[in-house]
Amino acid sequence: QSVLTQAPSASGTPGQRVTISCSGSSSNIGSNTVNWYQQLPGTAPKLLIYSIYQRPSGVPDRFSGSKSGTSASLAIGGLQSEDEADYYCAAWDDSLNGVVFGGGTKLTVL
Amino acid sequence: EVQLVESGGGLVQPGGSLRLSCAASGFTFSNYGLNWVRQAPGKGLEWVSYISSSSSTIYYADSVKGRFTVSRDNAKNSLYLQMNSLRAEDTAIYYCARAYCGGDCYSSNDYWGQGALVTVSS
Repeated sequence: QSVLTQAPSASGTPGQRVTISCSGSSSNIGSNTVNWYQQLPGTAPKLLIYSIYQRPSGVPDRFSGSKSGTSASLAIGGLQSEDEADYYCAAWDDSLNGVVFGGGTKLTVL
Repeated sequence: EVQLVESGGGLVQPGGSLRLSCAASGFTFSNYGLNWVRQAPGKGLEWVSYISSSSSTIYYADSVKGRFTVSRDNAKNSLYLQMNSLRAEDTAIYYCARAYCGGDCYSSNDYWGQGALVTVSS
């Protein structure tokens, strides 16, 4: 049971915009920044979004992040086949004194 | 080029011990905090431990507290995870990751190793 809650799956067609949500609490998302990771099959996770909406160098601007209260969202515009991956949200938790991850959302490009 | 390379994984019996290492290169190792994150087969990511650049701040997940010990040697550009009293549920790929302080210095990890597989089984 993950501290941050994500839907286990999402899907979309090429070119479509999809949104992946992450729900937390006042001790994590509500009071700290949020990060998003992309994990392609058989590879290590990759930092996709940090500090809620910042993109590391090389990450396309099709990927965007937002936060409202104790929830955060990752939006992927202009969906491409190579976006098919697992996506995880993460944040620091002040009560647990540790990093918490969402359970992950498997994105399928139909 | 930033590189993190884990080693030391393998098969160990329940109750046994294992020490993972993570060799870093391509950046000033002593300037960065580091995390260990694991992933059980077919499961999601689970944070294990954080150590600050000077080792002055260390955190553990409750699931490993008292059994695992994180350490680093800045002179050798290396991170370690000593794992004792291993259980079947510790079976996972263990990743070392660099904490990025452009984010929150803990949960923003901008570089990851390829991972080391630890299997706990009799």
